[in-house]
Amino acid sequence: DGGITQSPKYLFRKEGQNVTLSCEQNLNHDAMYWYRQDPGQGLRLIYYSQIVNDFQKGDIAEGYSVSREKKESFPLTVTSAQKNPTAFYLCASSIAGTHLAGGQFFGPGTRLTVL
Amino acid sequence: RKEVEQDPGPFNVPEGATVAFNCTYSNSASQSFFWYRQDCRKEPKLLMSVYSSGNEDGRFTAQLNRASQYISLLIRDSKLSDSATYLCVVIRNNDMRFGAGTRLTVKP
Repeated sequence: DGGITQSPKYLFRKEGQNVTLSCEQNLNHDAMYWYRQDPGQGLRLIYYSQIVNDFQKGDIAEGYSVSREKKESFPLTVTSAQKNPTAFYLCASSIAGTHLAGGQFFGPGTRLTVL
Repeated sequence: RKEVEQDPGPFNVPEGATVAFNCTYSNSASQSFFWYRQDCRKEPKLLMSVYSSGNEDGRFTAQLNRASQYISLLIRDSKLSDSATYLCVVIRNNDMRFGAGTRLTVKP
């Protein structure tokens, strides 16, 4: 079955620790995205990548880092510099450009809680 | 002012009711519009696109009013399974902008 997987589903972290969220897709999509979702707010774009070895900052990139060494994988690291990391993190992918036509597919999400 | 605004609800309706949500957007240059559905603690999934001429998919009807800068979603004959949060998405300059969502609960 083709799809996007994110792991873990729930993650707890102590303040001051870095943590990496996994996102893998086997849809052969070129583009991948990371969003965070907070209560009462729309999804906000953290980073996106349209091709391997290239990525761009989104609206709220501060305190986050990503890599895109393989087409299938786009891990997100939440660093200790992120002041308010508790949120629901969603990874998405699309064929390049089709996200503008509703062609973006989301993974099941990782709920990160900082203790 | 947020670029995309939705009434957060919750909208509590009985089964069989007709319910409508609106979503307003602030930038008149917005190009494309969508409704996504998100179940509790799950990922958003595309429900339908919104066209200027309006479009219908079964019990769901989406419409766009460019003059007043809003889109709407109408659900007829509500089912229990329609309970979810409905997200409005607006595309502008190759960016997707998400509303915070409207929560719908359909009760027996």
